[in-house]
Amino acid sequence: GAVVSQHPSWVICKSGTSVKIECRSLDFQATTMFWYRQFPKQSLMLMATSNEGSKATYEQGVEKDKFLINHASLTLSTLTVTSAHPEDSSFYICSARQDSLGSYEQYFGPGTRLTVT
Amino acid sequence: GNSVTQMEGPVTLSEEAFLTINCTYTATGYPSLFWYVQYPGEGLQLLLKATKADDKGSNKGFEATYRKETTSFHLEKGSVQVSDSAVYFCALIETSGSRLTFGEGTQLTVNP
Repeated sequence: GAVVSQHPSWVICKSGTSVKIECRSLDFQATTMFWYRQFPKQSLMLMATSNEGSKATYEQGVEKDKFLINHASLTLSTLTVTSAHPEDSSFYICSARQDSLGSYEQYFGPGTRLTVT
Repeated sequence: GNSVTQMEGPVTLSEEAFLTINCTYTATGYPSLFWYVQYPGEGLQLLLKATKADDKGSNKGFEATYRKETTSFHLEKGSVQVSDSAVYFCALIETSGSRLTFGEGTQLTVNP
């Protein structure tokens, strides 16, 4: 149980275009989802926290107009990188948490490799 | 604020060697502690966890004990395999359940 999927697993896009990444909890309802960014050989950097049906909470320094997060249902959150530029190239990882169980454990997706050319 | 400090890597071992990756933490409350493993090109997988002092988490031959007196959660394995080569992250979450705080990660390479 507790499987989280991401789609696509990798994507290449041209500078100036937008890319949408999906994060799904496959066998549980995710009250809260998190989006992370990871640079090569570095730790995960939390970008934002989203709760189903409400606006995402962004970390300091993360542009909310550039990284649009939508958590429209208890099993799906999306991250849209708008007007992507080469510096947005990175590994994006989502995680999901089922708060109703009283556990704070997060389940991670496999990640999405974004390359902007 | 909360923080997690891991031993600097990379760590290179021969197969069947003993592994220790040190992790210490700073937290204002009583956190739960985790070790995650990341294989190349993949997301994070939970390796083990401990939710209170003196708990021992274990999985796949890996162990870590929650030591409140030394604020540590060191990862150990008695005999590593080539397939254990990965990046290992120590992390904590406060009982209030807001966010995970990660360490810097430790790259482990096991040679045959």
